[in-house]
Amino acid sequence: QSALAQPPSVSGTPGQRVTISCSGSTSNIGSNTVNWFQQFPGAAPKPLIHGNHVRSPGVSDRFSGSKSGTSASLAISGLQSEDEGDYYCSAWDDSLEGPVFGGGTRLTVL
Amino acid sequence: QLVESGGGVVQPGRSLRLSCAASGFTFSTYAMSWVRQAPGKGLECVALLWSDGSERFYAESVKGRFTVSRDNLKNTLFLQMHSLRVEDTAVYYCARDAYAYDVWGQGTLVTVSS
Repeated sequence: QSALAQPPSVSGTPGQRVTISCSGSTSNIGSNTVNWFQQFPGAAPKPLIHGNHVRSPGVSDRFSGSKSGTSASLAISGLQSEDEGDYYCSAWDDSLEGPVFGGGTRLTVL
Repeated sequence: QLVESGGGVVQPGRSLRLSCAASGFTFSTYAMSWVRQAPGKGLECVALLWSDGSERFYAESVKGRFTVSRDNLKNTLFLQMHSLRVEDTAVYYCARDAYAYDVWGQGTLVTVSS
């Protein structure tokens, strides 16, 4: 069981806006910044968002991140078929003194 | 750029050493991590080593069996894995930093099977 909780799957139609949630605790998200990664089958994860809301170089402004309390969200606007893949959140955990990941969310574009 | 090597098929209880060759940045100034992904599963940071090698983090699942080290002169990160278990089967990625993981290697597959 992952330290950060994500929904197993979300879906949307092209052009729609979807959000992926990431729920943690006071020792991780509540105290530290959140990162988001995108992964396609057979490929390494790609950094999307760091520091809660800062887009990584080359990442489309359709992707945005936010954090409130012990939860964070990744929003994808103007959904495109090429956005279909897996998305992971991560944060430092002060209790573990190490990083933790969410279990991942599979985004399907209908 | 990060390039992992050393993966392969190994029997339970045996050992394996992974390497990660870094280029294009000042390796010695960055913390480095090993993140693994079991087939069909999510990401797990199994080991983290700070830039000067002074501090390490290990996931509970590998503590006492895996050792992370680095050679800052050769720009290389290592993961020595002992007493391998079937559940250690995964793609092992090398990633830069302890927080943002802003650069990833392509991964190397470790299969533990009898």
